[in-house]
Amino acid sequence: KAGVTQTPRYLIKTRGQQVTLSCSPISGHRSVSWYQQTPGQGLQFLFEYFSETQRNKGNFPGRFSGRQFSNSRSEMNVSTLELGDSALYLCASSFDSGPDTQYFGPGTRLTVL
Amino acid sequence: AQSVSQHNHHVILSEAASLELGCNYSYGGTVNLFWYVQYPGQHLQLLLKYFSGDPLVKGIKGFEAEFIKSKFSFNLRKPSVQWSDTAEYFCAVTNSGGGADGLTFGKGTHLIIQP
Repeated sequence: KAGVTQTPRYLIKTRGQQVTLSCSPISGHRSVSWYQQTPGQGLQFLFEYFSETQRNKGNFPGRFSGRQFSNSRSEMNVSTLELGDSALYLCASSFDSGPDTQYFGPGTRLTVL
Repeated sequence: AQSVSQHNHHVILSEAASLELGCNYSYGGTVNLFWYVQYPGQHLQLLLKYFSGDPLVKGIKGFEAEFIKSKFSFNLRKPSVQWSDTAEYFCAVTNSGGGADGLTFGKGTHLIIQP
């Protein structure tokens, strides 16, 4: 079974721009979660989508948003980029929502200049 | 809100030494616990998990962890480490009732094994 895939793997943007990241979960998995990883804050939960609905949301500003499609693929969007948004963005999929084992993708490295 | 504390941010060991990485969490309810590993240049991989039952769980590559509810701890152990165990190790927790906060991770422990 193919693992979680994320595109693009690397991205460079400038302040004020917006960005869209994509995640394809493991086949059959219906839940997709997004995390931000930075050296200072570590791994922080952004949000979770299940059956095209946002189920849970972490403590991030409204500039961070996402969506999930009927095939369980998910996108996250960050608008009005700030320097502090530079991070590795990780997508994780699980079969079900809630306390299920999450499998992580390789991440998208976003650099904001 | 739940939180996870990993006591050692950097650990350096020689090959064949025994390993124990500490993890404590704060949450009053029933939890599910995980250890993930991130090898250099690779993505996060699940080492082991605890949902219920035997508090001593075994994972891949000879790792094990013990859940001690009274101490809110889930320490990771390996009796004899190898150079290939060099990696970043993350402890994570989510509440069993459905993670409103997703997985909560500790800050990670950077483990270096010297040949």
